[in-house]
Amino acid sequence: GAVVSQHPSRVICKSGTSVKIECRSLDFQATTMFWYRQFPKQSLMLMATSNEGSKATYEQGVEKDKFLINHASLTLSTLTVTSAHPEDSSFYICSASEAEKFSDTQYFGPGTRLTVL
Amino acid sequence: GENVEQHPSTLSVQEGDSAVIKCTYSDSASNYFPWYKQELGKRPQLIIDIRSNVGEKKDQRIAVTLNKTAKHFSLHITETQPEDSAVYFCAAKLQGGSEKLVFGKGTKLTVNP
Repeated sequence: GAVVSQHPSRVICKSGTSVKIECRSLDFQATTMFWYRQFPKQSLMLMATSNEGSKATYEQGVEKDKFLINHASLTLSTLTVTSAHPEDSSFYICSASEAEKFSDTQYFGPGTRLTVL
Repeated sequence: GENVEQHPSTLSVQEGDSAVIKCTYSDSASNYFPWYKQELGKRPQLIIDIRSNVGEKKDQRIAVTLNKTAKHFSLHITETQPEDSAVYFCAAKLQGGSEKLVFGKGTKLTVNP
């Protein structure tokens, strides 16, 4: 089945630093990937839709200059949290769907737990 | 835009009993409705999905029903087992346009042995 990986799984950083999270589709191509944020005991909040070769589409209220998204290939999207602050601490999850199959199904990565000190 | 309501927020059942989780959506143009199971600290896993041209779908102990007229869909788990304990999320996707899913707030299911 379709597998999505994320790296790193956990990251702890100091306030003011930037953190990059990678999302890869391992055995399929994904023209579209999605980035979510999840707070404890809450639902998945879509941050942005990442489109290969074009600019990401951000949801209302998400700062595009703070959460930089790059989708340079059909198997890799990156999320960079710039100048991270403690309030950016969260569980970040990506998802992707199989471009070749025109599939509605989204497969999720294992998530990245970010802690900003 | 689309809005998905999910009920109940918590559900506790005895092992062997059935569990039902209900979701309603607001946009009649939605045509794809997946259900995800998420264990603590893990990724959401797709357990079943249904498209708007189908009224019911079953996979072993799990079934999903869709009522397009009423704009609601439900997840049914029969013969529940302790390993079914998790948070379940429903979602809806609009036909055409963006590929994004709109999620419900989740239901924490506890199956007591």
